[in-house]
Amino acid sequence: EIVLTQSPATLSLSPGQRATLSCRASQTVGNYLAWYQHKPGQAPRLLIYDASDRATGIPARFSGSGSGTDFTLTIDSLEPEDSAVYYCQQRSNWPPFTFGPGTKVEI
Amino acid sequence: EVQLLESGGGLVQPGGSLRLSCATSGFTFSAYGMTWVRQAPGKGLEWVSSTTGSGQSSDHAESVHGRFTISRDNSRNTLYLQMNSLRVDDTAIYYCARDEMVAVTGIFHHWGQGTLVTVSS
Repeated sequence: EIVLTQSPATLSLSPGQRATLSCRASQTVGNYLAWYQHKPGQAPRLLIYDASDRATGIPARFSGSGSGTDFTLTIDSLEPEDSAVYYCQQRSNWPPFTFGPGTKVEI
Repeated sequence: EVQLLESGGGLVQPGGSLRLSCATSGFTFSAYGMTWVRQAPGKGLEWVSSTTGSGQSSDHAESVHGRFTISRDNSRNTLYLQMNSLRVDDTAIYYCARDEMVAVTGIFHHWGQGTLVTVSS
């Protein structure tokens, strides 16, 4: 099973700043990595898939990069509504699909 | 508009059973793989089970293997999760999610709001 680790656990930033979230895989996942945004009481939302492809309707200030075992989600010009937990997820080697433990972003 | 609506959650005693449903609309249900993902209280997301568009192929997490069964009724545009021999650690919000094509690819483009399952005596 591929284990994903995310850092930091919590990120506290101000509106307008840039957020940089990290996800590391225990073995290579190629570019088969996605990022989701999850707010309390809401459905998770796909932001990025295959490391750098933005999902439909996702603003351009969300971007993903990386390959192999190290990945980054960058959120430019943070807005208050970006407060959420962000999860990475791999689909390279399944079952199981695995998620990271999440990074909580506080604005 | 793609819509996924889970139902069937509730309070059940350890060892009991529940069947979750995920009613869908806004897309051709049989053309997409479907998945269940859960979130235990205070924890992260955990993949539970996936099935292809036809329902002929499915996979389950080791933690639920032999106890949970994913199925679908393409005539009713509905996904199911039959949960038997429930344990306290199955307590979670259960989400259904739609894949991006008929096979299971693991790219979950659309999610429901979830239904809460509580296993407790």
